[in-house]
Amino acid sequence: KAGVTQTPRYLIKTRGQQVTLSCSPISGHRSVSWYQQTPGQGLQFLFEYFSETQRNKGNFPGRFSGRQFSNSRSEMNVSTLELGDSALYLCASSSSPYYGYTFGSGTRLTVV
Amino acid sequence: ELKVEQNPLFLSMQEGKNYTIYCNYSTTSDRLYWYRQDPGKSLESLFVLLSNGAVKQEGRLMASLDTKARLSTLHITAAVHDLSATYFCAVAPEASGTYKYIFGTGTRLKVLA
Repeated sequence: KAGVTQTPRYLIKTRGQQVTLSCSPISGHRSVSWYQQTPGQGLQFLFEYFSETQRNKGNFPGRFSGRQFSNSRSEMNVSTLELGDSALYLCASSSSPYYGYTFGSGTRLTVV
Repeated sequence: ELKVEQNPLFLSMQEGKNYTIYCNYSTTSDRLYWYRQDPGKSLESLFVLLSNGAVKQEGRLMASLDTKARLSTLHITAAVHDLSATYFCAVAPEASGTYKYIFGTGTRLKVLA
C-alpha cells in the first residue's frame, strides 16, 4: 500500500518568490492536513482539508494557502517567501480520527 | 489556547533502563496520539489513544491516557539503542473538529549502549 507522497523532497527558493508543494494521500483517505516543522517553533498546524473543503486553519498569515482536489490530492502554496518560512513541511492523511494520521516524508524548503 | 507540554525535553539513558515520558495538555480531549521521528525523517505513528484509561503496548513501549488528569505517559521498558529518536505526543482538541492536532514540544531520547 503506497504511503503519503510529497513532492518535491527538497526546494531552495529566494525571498519574495512563491512556492507550491504537492501531496498525494493514501488511497481512500479524504482528510489531508499540512504541518510546518521548525527547530524553534516545533510542529505547527497549517490547515486541514476534507472532500475539497478547508475545515480547519492554523495561525499562519494569508501568504499560506492550500487546496484539495476531487481525487484528494492537495497542494499548499506560500507566496512572497520570507527567510522564516524555511522549514520542513509535512503532509498527512487519514481515513478516520480513530486511526490517526499517516505522514509523508516532507518537503524541506530553504529560503535564501 | 491549547498547550501541550512534554517532559523531559531531552533524555539520555543507558540501555536496559526504564523511563517515562510525560505529556500534559490544557484542554479537554479524548484523543491523543504518539509519534516517533528519526533525524531527518518524517513522523511514524506509534499509538492512538481514544478514551480515558486507554493503554496500548508495542514491544518495549507502552502508552496510557488519563483524560481527567489531562495526562498521557509513554513508558520505555529495558531501553535499547534502536529506540533513540524524538517522541511527540499530539492532542486533538474537542472543539477543533476531528483532525487538527496540537503537538507537544517533543522528547529527544538517546539510548547509550
